[in-house]
Amino acid sequence: DAGVIQSPRHEVTEMGQEVTLRCKPISGHDYLFWYRQTMMRGLELLIYFNNNVPIDDSGMPEDRFSAKMPNASFSTLKIQPSEPRDSAVYFCASSLSGQGVSPLHFGNGTRLTVT
Amino acid sequence: AQSVTQLGSHVSVSEGALVLLRCNYSSSVPPYLFWYVQYPNQGLQLLLKYTSAATLVKGINGFEAEFKKSETSFHLTKPSAHMSDAAEYFCAVSEGGTSYGKLTFGQGTILTVHP
Repeated sequence: DAGVIQSPRHEVTEMGQEVTLRCKPISGHDYLFWYRQTMMRGLELLIYFNNNVPIDDSGMPEDRFSAKMPNASFSTLKIQPSEPRDSAVYFCASSLSGQGVSPLHFGNGTRLTVT
Repeated sequence: AQSVTQLGSHVSVSEGALVLLRCNYSSSVPPYLFWYVQYPNQGLQLLLKYTSAATLVKGINGFEAEFKKSETSFHLTKPSAHMSDAAEYFCAVSEGGTSYGKLTFGQGTILTVHP
């Protein structure tokens, strides 16, 4: 199994630009989560999907952030326009329900720097 | 709402010494609890999980954790530290007792191992 795959690994952009982060979950997993990690706030859940449907987006900071999951094997997190305070590591994770307590499987993250 | 407190943002031990990383949780329902490890520039990897089957949980790399309901604790231990254990460790609790991976994370504890 290839695990959760995120791209790009690093992204540097200027304030005001649009940024799109991509995620391919583990095949067969029905839950997908987007987390953000910063020194100040630690790991924060932004949004999660079940069977491609957004279930809870209460962690999305503001309207500049949006996430989609057009199919079971692909999700995007978009920031438009980006701001320096969005600089963080963004993690995608997936899990499989229905088999007891399912752990999260994380990707290696995308380190975003907004200048 | 669930919450996790990790006591000590940095822990330093000598190689061969006991490792003890502390975690206390707050949950309104019987919790599922997890420990994850994060190596530099990588995503989080599951060390072990508590799912109410047994209070002493054994994980990978010689780590174990004990669930103590009366103390609302889930401390992580390893009898003898190895240099390769140097990493950041996160305790997490499932939100609302969910089993599919919606987790609240602690702030993390950085473990340093000295030769």
